[in-house]
Amino acid sequence: QQPVQSPQAVILREGEDAVINCSSSKALYSVHWYRQKHGEAPVFLMILLKGGEQKGHEKISASFNEKKQQSSLYLTASQLSYSGTYFCGTPRDGSSNTGKLIFGQGTTLQVKP
Amino acid sequence: DTGVSQNPRHKITKRGQNVTFRCDPISEHNRLYWYRQTLGQGPEFLTYFQNEAQLEKSRLLSDRFSAERPKGSFSTLEIQRTEQGDSAMYLCASIEGSGTEAFFGQGTRLTVV
Repeated sequence: QQPVQSPQAVILREGEDAVINCSSSKALYSVHWYRQKHGEAPVFLMILLKGGEQKGHEKISASFNEKKQQSSLYLTASQLSYSGTYFCGTPRDGSSNTGKLIFGQGTTLQVKP
Repeated sequence: DTGVSQNPRHKITKRGQNVTFRCDPISEHNRLYWYRQTLGQGPEFLTYFQNEAQLEKSRLLSDRFSAERPKGSFSTLEIQRTEQGDSAMYLCASIEGSGTEAFFGQGTRLTVV
């Protein structure tokens, strides 16, 4: 079951904040966030694990509500470099294999000067 | 540059022809994944290798698709008798041991005409 992301697209001015949400109909072991710029490889941002552990980059924060099976990615004081498409991924079949993911449809973020 | 290399970057082929793509993962990474991405969608899992063993194949991987990872280093993905529906970006990712971060290559964009 593919996770559902919202919103589908966001346009911001530099310095503004954004929140991207990811919901799943299945119980989650972990939620993974990636950013992909046009024509480039997806790049790892963060993983949130059941139990509250987070591993990721310093300037991005996220939350993981296990009961609601939701995760949110918080982008604060956005910079032009934040532009891209953000994907959340959840493990296939409840697996703990961090490479076998089902990705959402993506949220396109555009930051304008 | 994530350290994962894919070749070729672009491939245009006529329907019915066979194509082969190559992925060179980060050298110490023993886990390797193939994904397919179509326009406006998130990556879809195709298959997974741990060292040279192919441990899982998605239902998306029809009989026309075969993947190998001889000696547990580089991997190849072959599509036989290509169809227009095979047109997509094919992404490779690698992960080290028990790591959580997948490093994606820039992909091979296949166009079947």
